[in-house]
Amino acid sequence: GAGVSQSPRYKVAKRGQDVALRCDPISGHVSLFWYQQALGQGPEFLTYFQNEAQLDKSGLPSDRFFAERPEGSVSTLKIQRTQQEDSAVYLCASSKSGGTSRTDTQYFGPGTRLTVL
Amino acid sequence: DAKTTQPNSMESNEEEPVHLPCNHSTISGTDYIHWYRQLPSQGPEYVIHGLTSNVNNRMASLAIAEDRKSSTLILHRATLRDAAVYYCIPRVYNQGGKLIFGQGTELSVKP
Repeated sequence: GAGVSQSPRYKVAKRGQDVALRCDPISGHVSLFWYQQALGQGPEFLTYFQNEAQLDKSGLPSDRFFAERPEGSVSTLKIQRTQQEDSAVYLCASSKSGGTSRTDTQYFGPGTRLTVL
Repeated sequence: DAKTTQPNSMESNEEEPVHLPCNHSTISGTDYIHWYRQLPSQGPEYVIHGLTSNVNNRMASLAIAEDRKSSTLILHRATLRDAAVYYCIPRVYNQGGKLIFGQGTELSVKP
């Protein structure tokens, strides 16, 4: 079956530009997570949605980062006025049930590699 | 947050067993231990999870120490496709479902 897809796979932006990264989760999955992975590091949590509700945005590094999931399926991560330190791989994951489960599996997309020049 | 300690890197020969250790001495009695792996240029993928007893699936086995302060992921016969970074991740009840990745162990497999 179809897994989590992300687009674009690669994005190059000039410093100061706005970017939008899209995530299509597995159909019917309730929870959606965004992570940021810097080169050589493990992924770091950014934000979490349960259906359309954003329940945790504690990992967003600044107010330039904004995420939405208006209809409880597709999600978009937007970064305004990109900076060089935003260069990273942005990973999206979805899981079947509510995110407080400690046994639920998260299914990851391939990520979007953002390079800010 | 529950802290984990894993070796930075390990090497294995193809078709030999691999034991990947993880120390998680600060987890509580209700925290599950999950393992994910990340192949080069891919997103992480789930491997296995457990609470107290040892667990097996088609990918691997998970051996959890009796005191739950450590666990070991066992790949019974390593293949070149198993070369990846392996992350041991405690799932804590008040963590809201997010995964907290450490540095992981980079496993290389030699033919």
